[in-house]
Amino acid sequence: GEDVEQSLFLSVREGDSSVINCTYTDSSSTYLYWYKQEPGAGLQLLTYIFSNMDMKQDQRLTVLLNKKDKHLSLRIADTQTGDSAIYFCAENEGSGNTGKLIFGQGTTLQVKP
Amino acid sequence: NAGVTQTPKFQVLKTGQSMTLQCAQDMNHEYMSWYRQDPGMGLRLIHYSVGAGITDQGEVPNGYNVSRSTTEDFPLRLLSAAPSQTSVYFCASSYQRGVGEQYFGPGTRLTVT
Repeated sequence: GEDVEQSLFLSVREGDSSVINCTYTDSSSTYLYWYKQEPGAGLQLLTYIFSNMDMKQDQRLTVLLNKKDKHLSLRIADTQTGDSAIYFCAENEGSGNTGKLIFGQGTTLQVKP
Repeated sequence: NAGVTQTPKFQVLKTGQSMTLQCAQDMNHEYMSWYRQDPGMGLRLIHYSVGAGITDQGEVPNGYNVSRSTTEDFPLRLLSAAPSQTSVYFCASSYQRGVGEQYFGPGTRLTVT
């Protein structure tokens, strides 16, 4: 079945760039997503990329998609302590949009002052 | 719009008790789902629904029941609580078309003793 894999932990210093990586297996996914979860809260959509794009930039966030290698990354420029959270990569199941998403395990980003 | 609401926020149950976690959304979303979140395991899909009257099992359905009698509500029933069901439970909803962004509720923290 479909699977999404992420590393579990990343630690960076404030002001550095953070890069969170994700691999997925379903090549028919239409969209790939990055969600952010702050402590004690639900997940919120951070950004997404359509599967026919290679890159999407949104202020401090850059999403890179390598469809050949089924690799997705999220780069956060000038990382701040407020960026400390768990980041989830997700893909929609199949090419049709049923609404069902497959999530990775989440990467905990720790930002040190 | 209130978005996705969940009640209760916290619950303690004894082994063998039953209870219902409530979830409601006011965005007229077709798709609704329940996840559990455990440390190091990310989000695991319990049950989901693509519309009123239609439900299906996710990755970890055992010990849980759902129903979807209206578009707005998607309750999750624990039939006979077990300590292994201690977790944080999230409800989410989305449109089935377009980007398919899932909107998450604030979560219910359940402890089974």
